[in-house]
Amino acid sequence: DSGVTQTPKHLITATGQRVTLRCSPRSGDLSVYWYQQSLDQGLQFLIQYYNGEERAKGNILERFSAQQFPDLHSELNLSSLELGDSALYFCASSARPELSDGYTFGSGTRLTVV
Amino acid sequence: DQQVKQNSPSLSVQEGRISILNCDYTNSMFDYFLWYKKYPAEGPTFLISISSIKDKNEDGRFTVFLNKSAKHLSLHIVPSQPGDSAVYFCAAAVFYNNNDMRFGAGTRLTVKP
Repeated sequence: DSGVTQTPKHLITATGQRVTLRCSPRSGDLSVYWYQQSLDQGLQFLIQYYNGEERAKGNILERFSAQQFPDLHSELNLSSLELGDSALYFCASSARPELSDGYTFGSGTRLTVV
Repeated sequence: DQQVKQNSPSLSVQEGRISILNCDYTNSMFDYFLWYKKYPAEGPTFLISISSIKDKNEDGRFTVFLNKSAKHLSLHIVPSQPGDSAVYFCAAAVFYNNNDMRFGAGTRLTVKP
């Protein structure tokens, strides 16, 4: 158990629908990062939050949004889903925005859009 | 844009031998490099890192080498063990802009007993 909890582990939904992925960071970690891994691709950075504030955006579609709540958990909202959104979505957390320890990743949510 | 490339999707080695995983990058601004290991149904776990001020970093059986002029890094695992069988991701970032850490597509290592 890495200490980063992602729910649900699996999600199957239809095109056009909206889903919410949830992440609870490791205790004490203020930064949360969301990554998308499509088939045979590397992890693509989507968005980062630090202590409730959006810190950086990567390749995140306008149909996607995220937020970090006062208790530091984060949610990634995916709307108007398309078949191409099927992927593994990882959340990672870190204590502070430095890389000396790397990130701690959750086990991911596998999203299948049918 | 693929700023970090792992050109070998898979690698198979015999137990006890050396495993060498390679990674190339294109962005000369990257100054911090990491390797992550991923088992099935788990998230990636941090393995080892190296700053651009070094050309080698060692941690037990794992050594990362950095060749800045060639924009190339490699991970050596000696000796390889069956438990090392996993997907290995190379990642690179600008240290003070770590929110833009870029990952390679991964190399699946299989260590045969």
